[in-house]
Order: sequence, then C-alpha cells, then structure tokens
Amino acid sequence: DAEITQSPRHKITETGRQVTLACHQTWNHNNMFWYRQDLGHGLRLIHYSYGVQDTNKGEVSDGYSVSRSNTEDLPLTLESAASSQTSVYFCASSERGFGDEQYFGPGTRLTVT
Amino acid sequence: AQKITQTQPGMFVQEKEAVTLDCTYDTSDPSYGLFWYKQPSSGEMIFLIYQGSYDQQNATEGRYSLNFQKARKSANLVISASQLGDSAMYFCAMREGGGYFGNEKLTFGTGTRLTIIP
Repeated sequence: DAEITQSPRHKITETGRQVTLACHQTWNHNNMFWYRQDLGHGLRLIHYSYGVQDTNKGEVSDGYSVSRSNTEDLPLTLESAASSQTSVYFCASSERGFGDEQYFGPGTRLTVT
Repeated sequence: AQKITQTQPGMFVQEKEAVTLDCTYDTSDPSYGLFWYKQPSSGEMIFLIYQGSYDQQNATEGRYSLNFQKARKSANLVISASQLGDSAMYFCAMREGGGYFGNEKLTFGTGTRLTIIP
C-alpha cells in the first residue's frame, strides 16, 4: 500500500543546531507539503513543492528550507534551530495540489532546548 | 481578519446523536475550496470531505456532510449518528488561489475537539 512516512518521529535538539526532518511518500504524488502544528494555531504551511526541483515558501518559512531532488522525498531543514521551532511537524502529499485531498504523514515531534 | 474561524474549541455529544461543527471563512477569491480533516488522539490527519465554491450540491461522504452556505460564508460539518470513534480534533481548511502555479494556499482553522459520551 502507498504511504507517507516521516523520520524521526521524535527528536530533541539544542538551540543553534541544524536539524533535518525526513519525509518519504510512495504515492508518486508530484505535490508535497510541510506544516507545523502548534496549540491555538492549527496547521500552518512552511514550504511546498509542485514537483522535482520546485520549492515554494509558505506562511511560516523563516528559518526553514526544503529541497526536492526526486518525487518521493521532501526533507525539511532547520538551519539553526530555535526554541520557537518546538512543534509537531507534518508532511503531506497530494495528486493535484492544494485543491485536492492531502495525505498526511504521522508527524514528527521536535523539541528544541 | 481570520481566514478560517472555528468558534467551538470543545464539544461534548451523546453517542448516536448528530453533531454540527461550525466553520466560517473569509475570502474574496471567487474560486475556493473547503476541507474538513479529523485528527484522532494518535495524531494523524485524516481527510473527511471537500466542497468546492462552485459545487451546486452540498458534499456528502457516508456519515459526513458539509452544510455549505455560500452567502453566509459558512461550511459546517455534520456528523450523523455519532460514534465513540468520532472523538477527535476536527479542522476546517480553505484553499484559495487560482491556477496551478504560484498563489494557491491552504489555511487551517484552530480546530474543535469533539468528545462523544457513551
């Protein structure tokens, strides 16, 4: 069965360190998304990609970067982790972009100390 | 102004009763779409239902229906005959922007926590 996976599921890191969260999907979807979820804010879009070599900034992109070298993967990098980036991070993919059902990964809980 | 407003932070409903979760939205885009997602305590996000702004009929998916009132800018989720497994967070979301490249975006509300009481 097709799926979308995230790793690690939990991570604790220190302020200032670079962190990369992995996202891998086997749906063969061109569109992939990264969100963060915080209490009182719902989900907020960080970055998204419509296909290989394409990346776009979302609502809360400062301090984050992504790269898309193949269809299956969209890793999210925190260049220099800050305590404000403590959150739950969700990766998602869809067949036809924003106007389509998105399939979400299980989430990564990141704590920055 | 908030793009998506969910005014009910928490709701308690008796099992087998119908539930209405409120969602109002704000957009000037003539082409938009509205989604509902469910997030159980296990954490994953599960798609429930979608309504396009030009759809003439209210969307339905099994026990879920979307009460779309365009003039009032509301897109309430109705769950018929609630079950214990319906206990979860529910998020309303809106897609705005036309065209396949560039200015599309998806905005989520802050969610409603639904608890079904046996």
